[in-house]
Amino acid sequence: EIVMTQSPATLSVSPGERTTLSCRASQSVSSDVVWYQQKPGQAPRLLIYGASTRATGIPARFSGSGSGTEFTLTISSLQSEDFAVYYCQQYNDWPYSFGQGTKLEIK
Amino acid sequence: EVQVVDSGGGLVKPGGSLRLSCAASGFTFSYAWMTWVRQAPGEGLEWVGRIKSETDGGTTDYAAPVKGRFTISRDDSKNTVYLQMNSLKTEDTAVYYCTKDIPLTRGGALAYWGQGALVTVSS
Repeated sequence: EIVMTQSPATLSVSPGERTTLSCRASQSVSSDVVWYQQKPGQAPRLLIYGASTRATGIPARFSGSGSGTEFTLTISSLQSEDFAVYYCQQYNDWPYSFGQGTKLEIK
Repeated sequence: EVQVVDSGGGLVKPGGSLRLSCAASGFTFSYAWMTWVRQAPGEGLEWVGRIKSETDGGTTDYAAPVKGRFTISRDDSKNTVYLQMNSLKTEDTAVYYCTKDIPLTRGGALAYWGQGALVTVSS
């Protein structure tokens, strides 16, 4: 089973700043990676698929990159509504697997 | 508009059974791969399993913790997918989400989520 490891577990950032979240796969997953955002009490929201394609309706300040085993999610200028938990996930090989999440909190 | 609506959650004793339903609309259900994902209280996301479209064989795949106890099925005439959970354990306590992927991502990029059905396994 492919293990997805996210870092850091918690990230404290000020509004308006640029931030990067990391995700590493235990073996190559090509570009079959997605990123989700989850706020308390809500279902996750798909942000990025195919490592770098924004889902419908996702603002341009969210961008994804990477291939193979190293992936990043960048938020160019943090807005108040962006403080949430972010999960990466691979869909290259079943069982698909999620990372443990990165909590983005206000500094 | 795509909609996915979970139902059927509740309180059940260890060893008991429960069936969740997921009613879908706004897309051609018979072509869709449908997936169940769960989230234990205060924890991260965990795959439960998926069912492929009938045109792709209609087969199911399960995560190791639920394999042999949970069964996913579908009724394309009702645009509904089911999750039958048997031999429930306390560690199965979670919010269960029914999801649909973006086409051509093999059930991987989950763009549409139900509101979640809370399943509590406790004596």
